[in-house]
Amino acid sequence: QSVLTQPPSVSGAPGQKVTISCTGSNSNIGTSYDVHWYQQLPGAAPKLLIYGNDNRPSGVPDRFSGSKSGASASLAVSDLQAEDEAAYYCQSYDSRLSGVAFGGGTKLTVL
Amino acid sequence: QITLKESGPTLVRPTQTLTLTCTFSGFSLSTSEVGVGWIRQPPGKALGWLALIYWDDDKRYSPSLKSRLTITKDTSKNQVVLTMTTMDPVDTATYYCARWAKLDSGSYSFDYWGQGTLVTVSS
Repeated sequence: QSVLTQPPSVSGAPGQKVTISCTGSNSNIGTSYDVHWYQQLPGAAPKLLIYGNDNRPSGVPDRFSGSKSGASASLAVSDLQAEDEAAYYCQSYDSRLSGVAFGGGTKLTVL
Repeated sequence: QITLKESGPTLVRPTQTLTLTCTFSGFSLSTSEVGVGWIRQPPGKALGWLALIYWDDDKRYSPSLKSRLTITKDTSKNQVVLTMTTMDPVDTATYYCARWAKLDSGSYSFDYWGQGTLVTVSS
C-alpha cells in the first residue's frame, strides 16, 4: 500500500478539466511537507510536473496546476489534450519513513 | 544541461547482489542542497522510493528495504552507486536514478530523471 492515496484512474474528453487527488496523513502532507507531481508518459521516465504544491517548472503548460489543503493535494489538468494521457504520481516527504513517499499513481485517459 | 544515466546488469540471478551505477552530468554532488535518489517501478506498477544520498553524505533508505540497500557516491566521478543484496524475482523492475534538489519552493523534489534500466531477476 502506498503512503499517499490516489484514485487508480480518471478520464475526460478533450477540452474538459479533470482533477486528481492525493490524500496523505499528519506524517506527510498534513504536516508542512510540500507535494510534488510527476507525469509519466507511456514507456518514458517520470518528469517533474508540479513542485512545491503549485509551482510549474519551465516548459510545463499552465493547463497544469496544483494545490494543497490540509492533508490532501490536487492536480488539475484543464483543456485536456490527447498528449496528456499518462500516469500521474504525487510525492511528498514522510517523517515516519524519514524519506520519500509516492502515491500509487493515477492513469489519466483522454476519451 | 543536466543528465543522468543508469547502468548495470539487465539479468540477475535470485540471491545475487545487484549493483547499479548512476552517472550524471551538469551538476555536482559537492553542491549543497543537492542529492541523488533511486526509485524503482515493477512492470505495470507504481513508483517506489529506494534510497537517497545528499551532498553531505547523509543517506536515507526505504525502511522496508533498508537491510538490503547501500548507497554511496563518488563525487570526483559524478557517480552514485546502489547495491541491493539477496535479489528475488519480485525485485524485477525498472530502476531509475534522479536528482534530488531543493528548488525555489524551498523543498526537495526529483527534478531530473534518468531513462531507467530494466533489471530482471530470474534463474
